[in-house]
Formats: sequence, structure tokens, C-alpha cells
Amino acid sequence: DAKTTQPPSMDCAEGRAANLPCNHSTISGNEYVYWYRQIHSQGPQYIIHGLKNNETNEMASLIITEDRKSSTLILPHATLRDTAVYYCIVRVYYNTDKLIFGTGTRLQVFP
Amino acid sequence: DVKVTQSSRYLVKRTGEKVFLECVQDMDHENMFWYRQDPGLGLRLIYFSYDVKMKEKGDIPEGYSVSREKKERFSLILESASTNQTSMYLCASSNGGLAGGEEETQYFGPGTRLLVL
Repeated sequence: DAKTTQPPSMDCAEGRAANLPCNHSTISGNEYVYWYRQIHSQGPQYIIHGLKNNETNEMASLIITEDRKSSTLILPHATLRDTAVYYCIVRVYYNTDKLIFGTGTRLQVFP
Repeated sequence: DVKVTQSSRYLVKRTGEKVFLECVQDMDHENMFWYRQDPGLGLRLIYFSYDVKMKEKGDIPEGYSVSREKKERFSLILESASTNQTSMYLCASSNGGLAGGEEETQYFGPGTRLLVL
């Protein structure tokens, strides 16, 4: 599975959009981009995943660049409860194996 | 909604005790996983199972065993707990993957924070 690079921390004002970037320049054609988050002392929570098209669900949107070397997770209206560590992971979609979490981005949403 | 539950949120045990951590999922998932999470080390896979009565070692199986007698339940056993097994233990489940060739998204339980004294 390809490696990812994320900024260690970001701040966002409550009610504003939070845009979390991820670089995955070595991604290969059969690897999906997955996003999870972990709120302090809880288990990781699945957010969204995608291959090449942009994806949206009730939690977030995922924008993947045309060359697939980077992506952005967008929380459209951040709340205080969105304060968490966000992990970007790339992996082969059918790969039943461990998830490899990097260091992630610590998002702090402030009032 | 996928639901993965773990038997305890917090557990305190003594060195040498046998410890059982239970995980139950209600989505009829084929695959189940046990990870531990430690500061600075990220998530490390202990064991996983892709079918009832099947188990596969992960990266750090030493000191642990697992049991999967029913599809929905995956138990992690610390045969003789030691202080270096103090950690956050996370259970996950997923469907598809190698079992069915479908997308494999792992869903996690809330975690069990184990302290071994």
C-alpha cells in the first residue's frame, strides 16, 4: 500500500469548511483513498473513500486530483465535535489486511 | 449502521491473569480484526479472521490468542497478562475483500483501554 503525507495539525473555526489535504504521489491504479478519524480515546471512525471520482456522503466530501497524487477531505460546516485526528490511507480495495495509519492531521475546531 | 461493540471500555488486570476481550459485530461481516494502539506506534495488527474458526497472525501475535466460534464474535485472549500489554485494544470488522472480491472497509469498535498492574 502506498504511503501518505499529511500536515500534522490544522485549525478551523466552527461553522467554516475544514479542508484536510493528503499527498499520495506513489498511489497505484488499484488503490483507493480512505479517510478515517479518531476522536480522543475512541476507536477510529470510517468517513469516506474513493478511487478517482469525487465522493460525498453525509459526513464529508472527498476531492481526488485528476492524477490521483493528492486528495482533500472537506468537512463543509465544522463543529466542535469534529475535533479529532484525521487519517488518510491508501490501499488496494480488496486487500483484507491491516490498515496502516500514519500520524494523521490533528484538526482543532475552535468556537 | 454498522455496529461493532467491545465488552469493556476500561479494564484493570493483574500480571499473570488470563484476560478475555470480546468483540461483537451485527453486520454479518466475514472479516474481523484485533489491533492494539500505543502512542507513537500507531495501530498494530495482532490477529485477524476471515471466517469462523479461521485465524491469521498479524504483526504482533506473541502473548495473544484468538477465538472465533461464531461469525459475529471474535475474542482476544491474553493468556498471562504482562505490563507491556497495557494498551488500547481495538476490534474491527469488514466484509468482502479476498473473501468476496468486494470493497473491504473496516469498521471499528469503541476500544478497550487495558491496564495491567
